[in-house]
Amino acid sequence: DGGITQSPKYLFRKEGQNVTLSCEQNLNHDAMYWYRQDPGQGLRLIYYSQIVNDFQKGDIAEGYSVSREKKESFPLTVTSAQKNPTAFYLCASKSRGGFRTEAFFGQGTRLTVV
Amino acid sequence: QKEVEQDPGPLSVPEGAIVSLNCTYSNSAFQYFMWYRQYSRKGPELLMYTYSSGNKEDGRFTAQVDKSSKYISLFIRDSQPSDSATYLCAGENTGNQFYFGTGTSLTVIP
Repeated sequence: DGGITQSPKYLFRKEGQNVTLSCEQNLNHDAMYWYRQDPGQGLRLIYYSQIVNDFQKGDIAEGYSVSREKKESFPLTVTSAQKNPTAFYLCASKSRGGFRTEAFFGQGTRLTVV
Repeated sequence: QKEVEQDPGPLSVPEGAIVSLNCTYSNSAFQYFMWYRQYSRKGPELLMYTYSSGNKEDGRFTAQVDKSSKYISLFIRDSQPSDSATYLCAGENTGNQFYFGTGTSLTVIP
């Protein structure tokens, strides 16, 4: 089955720790995105990548880092500099082909600071 | 001003009703518009994907875009309890960036 896989589904982080959220897609999509979802605030863009080895900051990149070493993978690291990391994190991907195509989402990772 | 504004609701309707969900946007560069449905604790799933102004119909769902007024709508006919979810509207600019509304929570009562 083609799709986007996020892991883990639930993640707990202690104060001061870095944690990495995984996002893998087998849709052969070029562009990948990370969003954060908080109640009442919708989806906010953290980082996005349109090709391998290249990525851009979104609206709320502070305290986060990403890498794009492979087309299929776009991991997100939540660093200790992110002061309020408890949220639902969503990864998405889309093709950058000749015709616009829709973005597909993974099932999300719920991160909680303990 | 947010790129996309959406009434958060909540919206509650009886089964079989016609539902109208609406968003406004401010960015004239938006070319593509999407509606996603999100069940609790799940990732959003794409319902409708439209380009520029006009209507697009898919089963019980109709998406409408009016670029002159920067207004996008989703209509659900013969609403079902399984339609109970949060609905997110989004616009996409020419740089492959998406901007989402805050979502409207819909409950369809049997």
